[in-house]
Amino acid sequence: AQKVTQAQTEISVVEKEDVTLDCVYETRDTTYYLFWYKQPPSGELVFLIRRNSFDEQNEISGRYSWNFQKSTSSFNFTITASQVVDSAVYFCALSGSGAGSYQLTFGKGTKLSVIP
Amino acid sequence: ETGVTQTPRHLVMGMTNKKSLKCEQHLGHNAMYWYKQSAKKPLELMFVYSLEERVENNSVPSRFSPECPNSSHLFLHLHTLQPEDSALYLCASSQDTGGPSGGITDTQYFGPGTRLTVL
Repeated sequence: AQKVTQAQTEISVVEKEDVTLDCVYETRDTTYYLFWYKQPPSGELVFLIRRNSFDEQNEISGRYSWNFQKSTSSFNFTITASQVVDSAVYFCALSGSGAGSYQLTFGKGTKLSVIP
Repeated sequence: ETGVTQTPRHLVMGMTNKKSLKCEQHLGHNAMYWYKQSAKKPLELMFVYSLEERVENNSVPSRFSPECPNSSHLFLHLHTLQPEDSALYLCASSQDTGGPSGGITDTQYFGPGTRLTVL
């Protein structure tokens, strides 16, 4: 069975601080995909990144960066110089490959509040 | 319209009502999904359609009935719901490269959701 754990339920930071959201996953698949989504108060889940299990390179996109470490089954997300607009719930998710790979297993989410 | 749209955005219904949620995707995808998001619980996958065939039904009560008339539209028909069915219902779409027999799917893109309240 697949599982995604986001241990941080809520985080508050002051604007311009850096913040890291943790994600730990469990899977028996050798090929799998990891995702991060952002859910602002409006409700829509906004796709941020998809990473496959064979690509362990870290990725940076503007103020966002992701650290994928297979050895610790973690896929952490860092926001640099946080802004009020970053306030949202962030979800980490996992999918396998092959039959039944439609299933996206989500973590419970981390609510980030950026205080001006 | 772009992306994935859902209507209505908010819905209040009584337990004896019948209503439908609508989802439309403008991304040219061939797979569509319904998810339920309740307070304090992870997102739950309800239904998956790939190439207009239902390929997954995660033990959802029969008071929820999906319909996928074509690859761009997905409906969720609701009848005799319970108060515990109150939740945010999210639709998503993706490009399924594996077909109904399984395979690698592309990223799922979500709509804004319908906030459902059952009185």
